[in-house]
Amino acid sequence: SQQGEEDPQALSIQEGENATMNCSYKTSINNLQWYRQNSGRGLVHLILIRSNEREKHSGRLRVTLDTSKKSSSLLITASRAADTASYFCATVDYSGGYQKVTFGTGTKLQVIP
Amino acid sequence: SAVISQKPSRDICQRGTSLTIQCQVDSQVTMMFWYRQQPGQSLTLIATANQGSEATYESGFVIDKFPISRPNLTFSTLTVSNMSPEDSSIYLCSVGDRGRDGYGYTFGSGTRLTVV
Repeated sequence: SQQGEEDPQALSIQEGENATMNCSYKTSINNLQWYRQNSGRGLVHLILIRSNEREKHSGRLRVTLDTSKKSSSLLITASRAADTASYFCATVDYSGGYQKVTFGTGTKLQVIP
Repeated sequence: SAVISQKPSRDICQRGTSLTIQCQVDSQVTMMFWYRQQPGQSLTLIATANQGSEATYESGFVIDKFPISRPNLTFSTLTVSNMSPEDSSIYLCSVGDRGRDGYGYTFGSGTRLTVV
């Protein structure tokens, strides 16, 4: 399977703490994206990191990418109860001549007030 | 970014029947994507729908089971045919979207389907 693996599968932290989620993938990528999903609803795009980038920040989000290890991490700092959701990484690959998006298995984050 | 209206948001259907899910986008888009998300699982791409041509289905998904229409650049439907309990999932449509940091994807709010 080309599906990315995420760990942990579930994470429970106290409000104010940082949350780190990891994503590993198997194929070459053009970019890697992170999405949030609340309670089985639609996914919301959080951040995109290109294959030639190593780190990116957006507000309380920090994403790293290590293409040699085929892995990425998402750090949410100073977590809030509203951050409770499932988080998915998605790899995007154009090498086959068309756009292929593959989602990871997801991390379910619970932030306890 | 694009806004997608997806209907219905949920439905409970009898086995053997069919359900059509609609997605309306507030802008013209070339490709629309249909995903299935089984309970507690990740997203699996069903097919890519281009306007004016047949949809391209991923391995394991066939047109007879999941017929797709794409009559114009802002609208698409996915039908789940001859449903069985194994079809109980969340179905999501998506479009590519050029945002501030690159080309991401916008999703509809999902259709939660339960087949009984």
